[in-house]
Amino acid sequence: AQKVTQAQTEISVVEKEDVTLDCVYETRDTTYYLFWYKQPPSGELVFLIRRNSFDEQNEISGRYSWNFQKSTSSFNFTITASQVVDSAVYFCALSEGTTSGTYKYIFGTGTRLKVLA
Amino acid sequence: SAVISQKPSRDICQRGTSLTIQCQVDSQVTMMFWYRQQPGQSLTLIATANQGSEATYESGFVIDKFPISRPNLTFSTLTVSNMSPEDSSIYLCSVWTGPGRRNSHEQFFGPGTRLTVL
Repeated sequence: AQKVTQAQTEISVVEKEDVTLDCVYETRDTTYYLFWYKQPPSGELVFLIRRNSFDEQNEISGRYSWNFQKSTSSFNFTITASQVVDSAVYFCALSEGTTSGTYKYIFGTGTRLKVLA
Repeated sequence: SAVISQKPSRDICQRGTSLTIQCQVDSQVTMMFWYRQQPGQSLTLIATANQGSEATYESGFVIDKFPISRPNLTFSTLTVSNMSPEDSSIYLCSVWTGPGRRNSHEQFFGPGTRLTVL
């Protein structure tokens, strides 16, 4: 069955510390996409990254980096030198094809990150 | 990308009443989805809004409770019927722009409607 697990419910760090958010997924598909979204207190979902199942290259965007490892079915997200503005709930999601030819998202339960000044 | 607006942004409703949430997209999209996010929880897909036909509901969600309309390719509504306090959630609309585009797997999310039922 398709599943996304974010085992860390809540993480607190002090500003400038590095923090890694874990995401483990399960899927039967060979073609799928993985996503990370940020949800600040205002509630909107902010897209951070998309990675397809054929691209295992790690990606870095500023203070954000992502480590995709198919061998362990993980797609972890690291924030370097965290800032208070990084405080939010972060969701990992898996997108798979459906029998009707469309795509369906499965979200993890989210990790609440608190960055303390 | 797609720009999505939702109305209302928030509402406080009485038990037993119904609320209709509107979702408007700035361009024609292939699929529209409705999600529910209960307080402190993750997002759960309610249904896929199909243009010109009945919505496809996920397990645990039924049309009588969450009727959905999609009259065209840029607009959809979700009604939360006969509300109870357990329906207090954020309701999010999202869209999928369809295959063949660069972001073909990506869903774009609206700002959400924060509903409180007393």
